[in-house]
Amino acid sequence: AQSVTQLGSHVSVSEGALVLLRCNYSSSVPPYLFWYVQYPNQGLQLLLKYTSAATLVKGINGFEAEFKKSETSFHLTKPSAHMSDAAEYFCAVSVPAAGNKLTFGGGTRVLVKP
Amino acid sequence: KAGVTQTPRYLIKTRGQQVTLSCSPISGHRSVSWYQQTPGQGLQFLFEYFSETQRNKGNFPGRFSGRQFSNSRSEMNVSTLELGDSALYLCVSSEFASGDTGELFFGEGSRLTVL
Repeated sequence: AQSVTQLGSHVSVSEGALVLLRCNYSSSVPPYLFWYVQYPNQGLQLLLKYTSAATLVKGINGFEAEFKKSETSFHLTKPSAHMSDAAEYFCAVSVPAAGNKLTFGGGTRVLVKP
Repeated sequence: KAGVTQTPRYLIKTRGQQVTLSCSPISGHRSVSWYQQTPGQGLQFLFEYFSETQRNKGNFPGRFSGRQFSNSRSEMNVSTLELGDSALYLCVSSEFASGDTGELFFGEGSRLTVL
């Protein structure tokens, strides 16, 4: 079975500062890894995904994440936070045999201070 | 191209009743998955259907069931509602059968409140 741990349920950053959201996964087979964002009263939107190609993955809205197998991590970063980045972020894992089934982390809510 | 449509968006039920939620995936998509989102348990996988066949099922009691029709529209049903079933139920649409080959598109959800 797969699992995901997101460190920090809440993160507060200043506008213009680095955003770093931590995600560690557990999987017995090579995983697919995803980051999603959820704005209030909306569904989830894909930011980026890793599916065994390049380990540094660039996504939408200036976000990127690096797959580190040795550390079983897939941390999400953005160099400069914008007010519109205030949302909840979810890391998720899947494996080929599981089809489209995702296992999500608990989520990290990001607050951006002006 | 229309997105994933879930109906109803909001509903209130009382304990013991049953509820049916509907999801229309993006045109041409054959995979539909359902997730339950609660503050305490987070996002939990309910089940996935692909071309009318259930491919995966999460760890939920038998009160939770689903189906997919030949036009790929899906419904999920919860019988004998409990207070703990209050949640946002999210439908996910995909063109392909595996997560590495296509993006998953989430609907805005159906928010169920059980009183």
